[in-house]
Amino acid sequence: NAGVTQTPKFQVLKTGQSMTLQCAQDMNHNSMYWYRQDPGMGLRLIYYSASEGTTDKGEVPNGYNVSRLNKREFSLRLESAAPSQTSVYFCASSPGWLGQPQHFGDGTRLSIL
Amino acid sequence: TQLLEQSPQFLSIQEGENLTVYCNSSSVFSSLQWYRQEPGEGPVLLVTVVTGGEVKKLKRLTFQFGDARKDSSLHITAAQPGDTGLYLCAGVQGNNRLAFGKGNQVVVIP
Repeated sequence: NAGVTQTPKFQVLKTGQSMTLQCAQDMNHNSMYWYRQDPGMGLRLIYYSASEGTTDKGEVPNGYNVSRLNKREFSLRLESAAPSQTSVYFCASSPGWLGQPQHFGDGTRLSIL
Repeated sequence: TQLLEQSPQFLSIQEGENLTVYCNSSSVFSSLQWYRQEPGEGPVLLVTVVTGGEVKKLKRLTFQFGDARKDSSLHITAAQPGDTGLYLCAGVQGNNRLAFGKGNQVVVIP
């Protein structure tokens, strides 16, 4: 069982570069989430998609965009990376929208130089 | 201001000992979740508590939701090295948004 798959696992970018973090789930879940995890800050919600075709801002959306490509896939894009976006990014999913992610991916470790 | 405060931030104990960690808030939550996260991995959902005063057990782990639904505790009996990890609590607010605490780092020494 793959669950939630994130790619890439590691990435180093230069300031100003763009990139897209990919996330796919194979559990037929309706809701998907993107979080970032920073030392001393805990997990913070960037964007979420309560159901296919909808996306909404979370706590820290600035500098990011998302696309719910289909029910399985939810991507996160950094248009112009900044050092403050250095973090570990987690994608998560849940069967329905109650704000509670049930399954997390193993994360993408992103460093912005 | 952190919505959910977890204490202690770090706890190191010997195998076989018992431990309790806490998750506190001044806000009321409709439900509260506990996750465990190991290095290099994503959090894994352990339990969801919904009713004030609710107690749930998962093998040697006992989770309790406060009567006023503002706080929770996690008690581990006879801790094992496999219990080592970062324990995260998260509460669902009125807007169905989940707020995470910073975590309790537990290390169980063999």
